[in-house]
Amino acid sequence: KAGVTQTPRYLIKTRGQQVTLSCSPISGHRSVSWYQQTPGQGLQFLFEYFSETQRNKGNFPGRFSGRQFSNSRSEMNVSTLELGDSALYLCASSWKPTGGTEAFFGQGTRLTVV
Amino acid sequence: DQQVKQNSPSLSVQEGRISILNCDYTNSMFDYFLWYKKYPAEGPTFLISISSIKDKNEDGRFTVFLNKSAKHLSLHIVPSQPGDSAVYFCAAGVISGGYNKLIFGAGTRLAVHP
Repeated sequence: KAGVTQTPRYLIKTRGQQVTLSCSPISGHRSVSWYQQTPGQGLQFLFEYFSETQRNKGNFPGRFSGRQFSNSRSEMNVSTLELGDSALYLCASSWKPTGGTEAFFGQGTRLTVV
Repeated sequence: DQQVKQNSPSLSVQEGRISILNCDYTNSMFDYFLWYKKYPAEGPTFLISISSIKDKNEDGRFTVFLNKSAKHLSLHIVPSQPGDSAVYFCAAGVISGGYNKLIFGAGTRLAVHP
């Protein structure tokens, strides 16, 4: 059974540009969450999608957006990139619609903004 | 406002000894707690979880203790092995409307040396 797949693995962008990251969840999983990891800040919750609808949102500016497709694949978009957006972006999927379950993470996309 | 705190950024333990990783939280509404382990260049992997109605959960060398009155949980690894060297994240979740939302701590880097 394939795990969570994130593409691309590495990305370098310049300030002001926009970027789109992709996440393919484990087959059968319908919930996809996105996290930002920066040194010393741990994993900051961005948003969660379930059945193509955003269910939860973290405290990030509107430059961060996402969507989920009917096949549960999800994309995350960051517009007008800033240097502080450099981070590891992790996607996690889970299959149960109710809480209390573990999330399975992808390897992440390392975004560097220069 | 960090709802989940891991106050020790790093921990060094000798092989064979016990490793104790600590986590504090502020929101008494959390329904469940999880520990994840993360190696460099990989996504976090689920280790062990505990429901808020329990005070202990054990899985092999790993035991998680929950003290609700103190809003504190800890992960015990015994005996510690060099392969346990990784960053450990504590996470807490709320079953809100039946959907997942995990809040992570900043992580503790565990080094197990021979």
